[in-house]
Amino acid sequence: DQQVKQNSPSLSVQEGRISILNCDYTNSMFDYFLWYKKYPAEGPTFLISISSIKDKNEDGRFTVFLNKSAKHLSLHIVPSQPGDSAVYFCAAISYNNNDMRFGAGTRLTVKP
Amino acid sequence: DTAVSQTPKYLVTQMGNDKSIKCEQNLGHDTMYWYKQDSKKFLKIMFSYNNKELIINETVPNRFSPKSPDKAHLNLHINSLELGDSAVYFCASSQNLAGNTGELFFGEGSRLTVL
Repeated sequence: DQQVKQNSPSLSVQEGRISILNCDYTNSMFDYFLWYKKYPAEGPTFLISISSIKDKNEDGRFTVFLNKSAKHLSLHIVPSQPGDSAVYFCAAISYNNNDMRFGAGTRLTVKP
Repeated sequence: DTAVSQTPKYLVTQMGNDKSIKCEQNLGHDTMYWYKQDSKKFLKIMFSYNNKELIINETVPNRFSPKSPDKAHLNLHINSLELGDSAVYFCASSQNLAGNTGELFFGEGSRLTVL
């Protein structure tokens, strides 16, 4: 029962260009959405989040967009840098049952 | 100064053995979690504890037993290990239950390989 899906297992982008990572969810009761970044041999680290009452949140080079009607969110990184190469996990929280669900992750490679 | 630390990082063992993975957080958080990252790379929650009390217990075999001696520690004990238990296990903590920002602080993971 995968309520949070990241359909692209990998993405390759040239340095300086925009990286767009996508995430879809099925549970309309999710209240909060997050993106985590994971380097090899490390645990995931929090990157950026967005409340379900908003449609955009920006933090430096990172912007998360939420389209509730489509049950879709995306993470934009611009400009992409080689140090952004990592696995990005999308996550969603339901406050009602204290439940957080993760997607399977998308491996981003930013080529110099 | 590691915020969430788990040991061991690597564990190779035979089927049928019993093993434990320890987790400690020095962030003063109230809630701790165990996640399993399976072969398909999904991060699935197994357990969460809030102030030493079990809050979430997903459908995991009874062979998995978490123990929280205090709110800074959440250990995972696994009995009668099976091949399918091979995975990376992540410990995490958060200030509250996943009801505020949901920001979790993860450990580096413990890779368990069952032969």
